Amino acid sequence: EAQVTQNPRYLITVTGKKLTVTCSQNMNHEYMSWYRQDPGLGLRQIYYSMNVEVTDKGDVPEGYKVSRKEKRNFPLILESPSPNQTSLYFCASRPGQVPYYTFGSGTRLTVV
Amino acid sequence: GQQLNQSPQSMFIQEGEDVSMNCTSSSIFNTWLWYKQEPGEGPVLLIALYKAGELTSNGRLTAQFGITRKDSFLNISASIPSDVGIYFCAGRPHYGGSQGNLIFGKGTKLSVKP
Repeated sequence: EAQVTQNPRYLITVTGKKLTVTCSQNMNHEYMSWYRQDPGLGLRQIYYSMNVEVTDKGDVPEGYKVSRKEKRNFPLILESPSPNQTSLYFCASRPGQVPYYTFGSGTRLTVV
Repeated sequence: GQQLNQSPQSMFIQEGEDVSMNCTSSSIFNTWLWYKQEPGEGPVLLIALYKAGELTSNGRLTAQFGITRKDSFLNISASIPSDVGIYFCAGRPHYGGSQGNLIFGKGTKLSVKP
C-alpha cells in the first residue's frame, strides 16, 4: 500500500532531551515535507526536501533539523525540545510533477 | 508570509443540509486544493483545481477555482454524519512561493447532527 509512515504516533518528552521523529514513504516521491499543526493556526511548513541531500526551510524552521540521505526517509530532529514545540506533526510527500502532498497519520509530541 | 483566509471557522449543521465554505487570498494562486482531516489522521486530498474557473466534483463534493485566481469554494451536498472533520484549503501561490510549499488555510471544522 502506498503510504507515508511516521513514528512514533505519540511522544512525551522532557525539555532539552534530543529526539527524532522518523518518516518514510514507499512511493519514490521526490518531495518530502514536515508540517506542524496547532489549534487556530492550521498547518505550517517546517522544512522540505526536493530530493536527496537537498533541503530548505519552510515557514517555521527554528528549533528543528532535517536530513535527506535516502530518497524514502526524511527524519525530523529536535536537538533541544522546548514546550513551545508541543504540537501535532505531519510528514508528507509528493512526486515532482504533482502539486499536492500525501500526508502521514501524524505524531503528537508533548514537551514538558 | 502569504496567508489564506478560510471561512467559516466552524459549522454545526443537520444531516441532509448542504454546506459551503470558502478560501480567499490577496495573492494569485496557481493551484487550489481541498483536504479533509478526520480525528487522529492526516489530511486527505479531496479535490485539486488547476485552472481559473474550473469546477470539479467528487461525489457530493464540488469545488471551484475562482475566476480571479484569488479564491476557491467547496460545497458539500446532502451532508451525512461521516462528513464530520476539518476541511482545509491549500494552494500554490503564483508569486513568492517555494517549490516545496503549500500554503494552508486554518480549516473549517464541520459537525453534523444526525
